Amino acid sequence: AQRVTQPEKLLSVFKGAPVELKCNYSYSGSPELFWYVQYSRQRLQLLLRHISRESIKGFTADLNKGETSFHLKKPFAQEEDSAMYYCALSGSNTGKLIFGQGTTLQVKP
Amino acid sequence: GAVVSQHPSRVICKSGTSVKIECRSLDFQATTMFWYRQFPKQSLMLMATSNEGSKATYEQGVEKDKFLINHASLTLSTLTVTSAHPEDSSFYICSAPVAGGQETQYFGPGTRLLVL
Repeated sequence: AQRVTQPEKLLSVFKGAPVELKCNYSYSGSPELFWYVQYSRQRLQLLLRHISRESIKGFTADLNKGETSFHLKKPFAQEEDSAMYYCALSGSNTGKLIFGQGTTLQVKP
Repeated sequence: GAVVSQHPSRVICKSGTSVKIECRSLDFQATTMFWYRQFPKQSLMLMATSNEGSKATYEQGVEKDKFLINHASLTLSTLTVTSAHPEDSSFYICSAPVAGGQETQYFGPGTRLLVL
């Protein structure tokens, strides 16, 4: 079954602390993995995707096929990073996205 | 970047009435659009794929007669919630990929539906 799991509903850290938002997936094939972010009162927007291998706003995510994980990391959290983060999976070039439950990141001053 | 709009942003209706929600791609054409439903503090659940010029493809468990989807043009998809009931109250979100870029979805701001 296709599934995306984000085990943490809420992650609270202090400004400057490292952040790791966990994401595990289940998919029989080679999926595309994404992280989407939703800031307060804004629409969902793409943060990064595994095929790009890029760093956006200091965030990185590495696809680990052995562990079927795609954890999102940032070495030093900023207050403006506070938002809801969704890990998502797309397969078979359909464009359909399967979302995880989402993790609220709260960065305290 | 590409922009997707939704109208209305929120709607309140009486039980038994039908509600139409529009999703528009403002500066690009979208042969495919997606409709999601989001319950409070929960994830987005894909409801259906809207295909321009053909029938929508519904996900398992989604009633196609309940949630009518029409993709009349390359920039507009509509979702009609027919004979709405309180349990249909939710946040409905559409998305569209930029043509040729199936990997990147642009999301609308969502429509809050409240059925009394």
